[in-house]
Amino acid sequence: DAGVIQSPRHEVTEMGQEVTLRCKPISGHNSLFWYRQTMMRGLELLIYFNNNVPIDDSGMPEDRFSAKMPNASFSTLKIQPSEPRDSAVYFCASTLGGTQKELFFGEGSRLTVL
Amino acid sequence: GIQVEQSPPDLILQEGANSTLRCNFSDSVNNLQWFHQNPWGQLINLFYIPSGTKQNGRLSATTVATERYSLLYISSSQTTDSGVYFCAVARRSSNTGKLIFGQGTTLQVKP
Repeated sequence: DAGVIQSPRHEVTEMGQEVTLRCKPISGHNSLFWYRQTMMRGLELLIYFNNNVPIDDSGMPEDRFSAKMPNASFSTLKIQPSEPRDSAVYFCASTLGGTQKELFFGEGSRLTVL
Repeated sequence: GIQVEQSPPDLILQEGANSTLRCNFSDSVNNLQWFHQNPWGQLINLFYIPSGTKQNGRLSATTVATERYSLLYISSSQTTDSGVYFCAVARRSSNTGKLIFGQGTTLQVKP
């Protein structure tokens, strides 16, 4: 069974550039989550979608961050413009049936902004 | 918001030893999960355990929701158990069910 698939696995970019991270949830899962992991702040929930609709985006740091889920099998997290403090590992995760179910993570996208 | 405290922060074991990791939380929860992040950064779901006891091979977990803690037991530890163990909870009163992660316990198992 395919798990959560994220791309790219690694991204190195310069400050000011646009970054787009992609996620394909597990087939049949209807809830999708974007997390960010840093040494200082640990794992933080940025946004989550249920049935493609954003339910809680209170963790999105600022207007430079945006997320979309145009269909049940694809989501993007965009940072524009990127800043060095955005450097982190960004994880996508999915569940079947909302937040009360087991959470399955992708392998993460490691972003470095120079 | 809810506080999630994990202990110990760091743990070094000799292969074959047993260990207990603890997760304390400050409010009633209706969701609690344990994860293992291996040295390559992958996050693996170990248990979904808002209450009760579960076992999976050498790992088991117990959550006592009324006393606001959960324990993760690792028996006969192996070097592949190394990594960071996270506890994550969602407040019962939360209308979004957002999972809040603890800071983790870093485990190193030496051969």
